[in-house]
Amino acid sequence: DGGITQSPKYLFRKEGQNVTLSCEQNLNHDAMYWYRQDPGQGLRLIYYSQIVNDFQKGDIAEGYSVSREKKESLPLTVTSAQKNPTAFYLCASSLTGFNSPLHFGNGTRLTVT
Amino acid sequence: DQQVKQNSPSLSVQEGRISILNCDYTNSMFDYFLWYKKYPAEGPTFLISISSIKDKNEDGRFTVFLNKSAKHLSLHIVPSQPGDSAVYFCAATYGNNRLAFGKGNQVVVIP
Repeated sequence: DGGITQSPKYLFRKEGQNVTLSCEQNLNHDAMYWYRQDPGQGLRLIYYSQIVNDFQKGDIAEGYSVSREKKESLPLTVTSAQKNPTAFYLCASSLTGFNSPLHFGNGTRLTVT
Repeated sequence: DQQVKQNSPSLSVQEGRISILNCDYTNSMFDYFLWYKKYPAEGPTFLISISSIKDKNEDGRFTVFLNKSAKHLSLHIVPSQPGDSAVYFCAATYGNNRLAFGKGNQVVVIP
């Protein structure tokens, strides 16, 4: 059953700690993305990768980092430099790029206290 | 600057009636538009799309209309069902540029 798996669903961290959110896809999609959703906001792009070993900053990349060592995976690290890390994080993939529909995972709710 | 705007953040509609969601955009370069549906604590799911060479695309109960001159698109759901209660996001892009998302519309279908 093809899809995108994000884990864990809920994550709690202390302020000052880095944390890595997992995202795996078995759709054989080239492109992968990380978005953030805050209450009353749309989806804001953090990072995206259209091919293995390459990634680009999105609109709100500060305080985040990604790696794309394999096609199936785009882990997102939320560093202590991110000022407001508490949010709902969504990973997505698409066949080619932004011109093909994005398929989203079910998200990770990160709470930093 | 928000390039995709969804006004009227929430909509309530009786089951069986039509739901109409509106979306306005500012960037005349946009040539591909999508609608996503999102339940709480889940990721959005792709619903329907339309390219700028068309003015209508239909998929079952869902129809998207595009008015390029007005830079406006709308999503019609008919008949509305309780399972349609969700947040709907409009999105737009051109070429392979980043998707611009609206802030979403909450739809509540009353049984």
